[in-house]
Amino acid sequence: DTGVSQDPRHKITKRGQNVTFRCDPISEHNRLYWYRQTLGQGPEFLTYFQNEAQLEKSRLLSDRFSAERPKGSFSTLEIQRTEQGDSAMYLCASSSLTAESFEKLFFGSGTQLSVL
Amino acid sequence: GNSVTQMEGPVTLSEEAFLTINCTYTATGYPSLFWYVQYPGEGLQLLLKATKADDKGSNKGFEATYRKETTSFHLEKGSVQVSDSAVYFCALSRAGGFKTIFGAGTRLFVKA
Repeated sequence: DTGVSQDPRHKITKRGQNVTFRCDPISEHNRLYWYRQTLGQGPEFLTYFQNEAQLEKSRLLSDRFSAERPKGSFSTLEIQRTEQGDSAMYLCASSSLTAESFEKLFFGSGTQLSVL
Repeated sequence: GNSVTQMEGPVTLSEEAFLTINCTYTATGYPSLFWYVQYPGEGLQLLLKATKADDKGSNKGFEATYRKETTSFHLEKGSVQVSDSAVYFCALSRAGGFKTIFGAGTRLFVKA
């Protein structure tokens, strides 16, 4: 169990550019979540996958945001035409459906996005 | 909609002091309740959870009891240590765990 890993750790981009983040969940976990966290706030839910199916998207997720989880393994989150308001920490979490771990989220260390 | 409200920080305590961090929630149905902790430089990790009314979650000396009548899930520890300095997040999850909703977090500083 190597934990949830996210790449890159930090991303600095100019307004209007596209960025893509990657998340590798714990290998046997069926569920994968994306959250966004700004300074002094708790994580805000963005979207959730069960295996390869994207089952829920937050209203926060504008059409500039897209997430995929091909083959139910790693996931990518892409932001097109970035805006300064997109600057935040993007967190990935995963969970399994086993009784002992049900509803327990395992978080990665996040990708810090700065849009200049 | 579902939401979580927790006391604002920062909370500053001396070592061995008693800790309470208040958390109240609004939810339909019967959510599960959680406390997550984020230590400096680390990712969020689950501290404890409770899945039904009157359940008590506990871990590392921390406790919280699911109080449905007051819609609360206050975090307590009898004697804090410097190593408990972190940000604590109260959270709830709808039945099935499809989406976990977090409070704004409470930063705790413990002085030696």
